[in-house]
Amino acid sequence: KAGVTQTPRYLIKTRGQQVTLSCSPISGHRSVSWYQQTPGQGLQFLFEYFSETQRNKGNFPGRFSGRQFSNSRSEMNVSTLELGDSALYLCASSSSSGTSGTPEQFFGPGTRLTVL
Amino acid sequence: GEDVEQSLFLSVREGDSSVINCTYTDSSSTYLYWYKQEPGAGLQLLTYIFSNMDMKQDQRLTVLLNKKDKHLSLRIADTQTGDSAIYFCAESTGSNDYKLSFGAGTTVTVRA
Repeated sequence: KAGVTQTPRYLIKTRGQQVTLSCSPISGHRSVSWYQQTPGQGLQFLFEYFSETQRNKGNFPGRFSGRQFSNSRSEMNVSTLELGDSALYLCASSSSSGTSGTPEQFFGPGTRLTVL
Repeated sequence: GEDVEQSLFLSVREGDSSVINCTYTDSSSTYLYWYKQEPGAGLQLLTYIFSNMDMKQDQRLTVLLNKKDKHLSLRIADTQTGDSAIYFCAESTGSNDYKLSFGAGTTVTVRA
């Protein structure tokens, strides 16, 4: 089975621009979560989607948004980019619905975003 | 709140055992995980343990959970140079919610 894929792998943007990152979960997985990893703040939860619905959201400003499509692929968008948004953005997928399946979450390789 | 704490660095000799420790504060944690991150890569799930267990073994990996003290440890037997990486402890409540709370990560350096 193919793993979690994320595109693009690297991205350079300037302040004020917006960016869209994409994540394709493992086939059959319906839960997709997004995390931001920075040297200063570590790994922080952004949001989680299951069957096209956002189930949980972390403490990030409204500039960070996401969505999930019917094929479980997910995108996250960051508008009005700031220097502090430079980070590795990681996506994770899980087969679990909360009432069935196993709790493993598998991560993709990440998208490295640099904001200049 | 959810706080997960780990020591930042561990140096170990090749062939010895490594023990990485983690403490967490959320008593409702249902699952506890160990992830490995190599330079420039994403997170690799090593193992996880359900909160009603106190031990789980998987080849060279042994996870010990002390729920009373909210203490989790990962032991790597016969540590190899390929085990050099950052190891993250994470917790989730797991019920209809897969938000993971991570520790800061322990950088393990294996020396010859």
